[in-house]
Formats: sequence, structure tokens, C-alpha cells
Amino acid sequence: DIQMTQSPSSLSASVGDRVTITCRASRGISSNLAWFQQKPGKAPKSLIYAASSLQSGVPSKFSGSGSGTDFTLTISSLQPEDFATYYCQQYNTYPLTFGGGTKVEIK
Amino acid sequence: EVQLVESGGGLVQPGGSLRLSCAASGFTFSDHYMDWVRQAPGKGLEWVGRTRNKAYSYTTEYAASVKGRFIISRDDSKNSLYLQMNSLETEDTAVYYCVRWGLVSGFHDYWGLGTLVTVSS
Repeated sequence: DIQMTQSPSSLSASVGDRVTITCRASRGISSNLAWFQQKPGKAPKSLIYAASSLQSGVPSKFSGSGSGTDFTLTISSLQPEDFATYYCQQYNTYPLTFGGGTKVEIK
Repeated sequence: EVQLVESGGGLVQPGGSLRLSCAASGFTFSDHYMDWVRQAPGKGLEWVGRTRNKAYSYTTEYAASVKGRFIISRDDSKNSLYLQMNSLETEDTAVYYCVRWGLVSGFHDYWGLGTLVTVSS
């Protein structure tokens, strides 16, 4: 199975900060990577697919980059509604696997 | 508007069985692959499995942790997805999400609200 490692596992940031989360795959997955946002008690929400393509309706403050094994999710200017847990997922190979999550908290 | 509504969760004893359903609306259900993803309390997301569409003979894929115990099926005439869970273990306790696989995007684009399954004696 492909292991997905996210870092950091948690971070504290202030409103207006630029935040970057990284995701590393244990072997190459081309650009077959997605990012999801999950708030407490809610279902995950899709943000980005194909490593850098924004899902319809997702604000442009979210961006993704990378290919192969190393990927990043960037939030350009953190807003109160962005405090949540973020997950990466590879869908290059079965079984589909998720990273362990990055919890973004208010500083 | 795409909607996915899961049902059928509840409390079941270890070794027991449960069948989850997912009612889909707002899109052409029969065109899409459909997946189940679960999340144990306080834990991360785990892909459970997939059913492909008719064009791919409704073939399925499963995570190793559920293979041989869980069966994913669908009824396109009812716009419904199912998860038959047998030989349940305490480790299967989780919220189970029904998830659509995007036709064009090729990723998990829409998620249901989830249904909680608790396996406990």
C-alpha cells in the first residue's frame, strides 16, 4: 500500500496567515492526489484534485502543487472558516489511501 | 444539487451483520463509480471500497481490512448504493460515508453526511 505522510500533524496560525501543509507519498503517484477539508462533526469537503485543480465552488485562496511523491496545500490568507482538519489522499493505486490529517487551529 | 443520504447505521454486536444504504439524487447515479469511506471516532479517513458502473460490469474493489466480510452493491434503478457488513468487529466502529467518484475530475467530489456504526457487546 502507498503510505501518505502529512506534516505537520497540527499547526496554530492567525487569521490572515499563509499556511502550507505538505503530503509525501511512499512512492510516486503522478498527480493523482486530492485534498479535503473536514470540520468537527461534519463530512469531508473536497477542495483540490489532480494535485492542483480546484474543485468547483472552492475559493481561490486554496491552491495545491506537486507531483510524484511531494505535494503541498497552501491557504493564502487564513480566515476563521478555514480552521479545520485537512487530509490528502492518493488515488493512483488501490487501495486508495489518506494522510493522517493536519489540524489547523487558531493561535 | 447532488445529495447522498446514508442510512442503516446503529449498534450491533461483534460477529453481527448490518446493511447500510445510500440514496443518491441530483445526478445520473448509474454513470458513476461509488465508494464507501469510513472514519473511526477521533481518527482519520479510511477508504473501504468501490463499485464501478455498468460499463465496467459493476466490478468492485475493497480495502484489505474488509475484504471477504463486506460487500458493496448498487441498484441503479433505485439510485442506491449498499454496504453489506458481515462478521463485524469492534474495529469496524466508525462513521461510514457514501462518496461519489467524479466522472470528469476522477476523484471523490461529493460526500454524504455519514451514518454511525457501533460494534459493541
